[in-house]
Amino acid sequence: QVQLQESGPGLVKSSETLSLTCTVSGGAISNYYWSWIRQPPGKGLEWIGYIYYSGSANYNPSLKSRVTISVDTSKNQFSLKVRSVTAADTAIYYCARYFSGRGFDPWGQGNLVTVSS
Amino acid sequence: QSVLTQPPSVSGAPGQRVTISCTGSSSNIGAGSDVHWYQQLPGTVPKLLIYQSTNRPSGVPDRFSGSKSGTSASLAITGLQAEDEADYYCQSYDSSLREVFGGGTKLTVL
Repeated sequence: QVQLQESGPGLVKSSETLSLTCTVSGGAISNYYWSWIRQPPGKGLEWIGYIYYSGSANYNPSLKSRVTISVDTSKNQFSLKVRSVTAADTAIYYCARYFSGRGFDPWGQGNLVTVSS
Repeated sequence: QSVLTQPPSVSGAPGQRVTISCTGSSSNIGAGSDVHWYQQLPGTVPKLLIYQSTNRPSGVPDRFSGSKSGTSASLAITGLQAEDEADYYCQSYDSSLREVFGGGTKLTVL
């Protein structure tokens, strides 16, 4: 079955850019939306955005000015960049597959990113 | 403050039935958007529990059921078990905000 795995640094300095990659295995990246979701420590889930395999992306309006999601179908990967990070961006970042009418499933294991000053 | 409102906590004794509500508006649930539910056991990754308001993915026990009416949805858990203790989140599509999650509900099994 499809599995997702996030990768990237666990520590980012304030005002810099957070970059994460999600590798999809066990299935093709085609014909689905691929999403990023985050969860600050001890808090709830926040949708960041998703990208269709063709490259069309949609973002959470509250993050849109700082976020870019891209896809590399040749590597079965998609990526997240969050610019000008602050302590409020400290969270576990999950990647997940999105299918309209089926929600987010499956999810990656998550990557804790801490923003330091 | 999420556009989908859930109670912060619910509790029940083993064997009992509990429900978790998810209240939205005419721009999301009331507009006919699907509602999905996720279970996050302590220290683990969220897992899809219910999709399209009422459907269970393969492997989810039939003790879990979902419903939707108007601008609200509910998750019901019958025959409560200790391993059901977790955080539960509803999720839907909003015409302005796109994908949104509820604030989450912590279920405590007494």
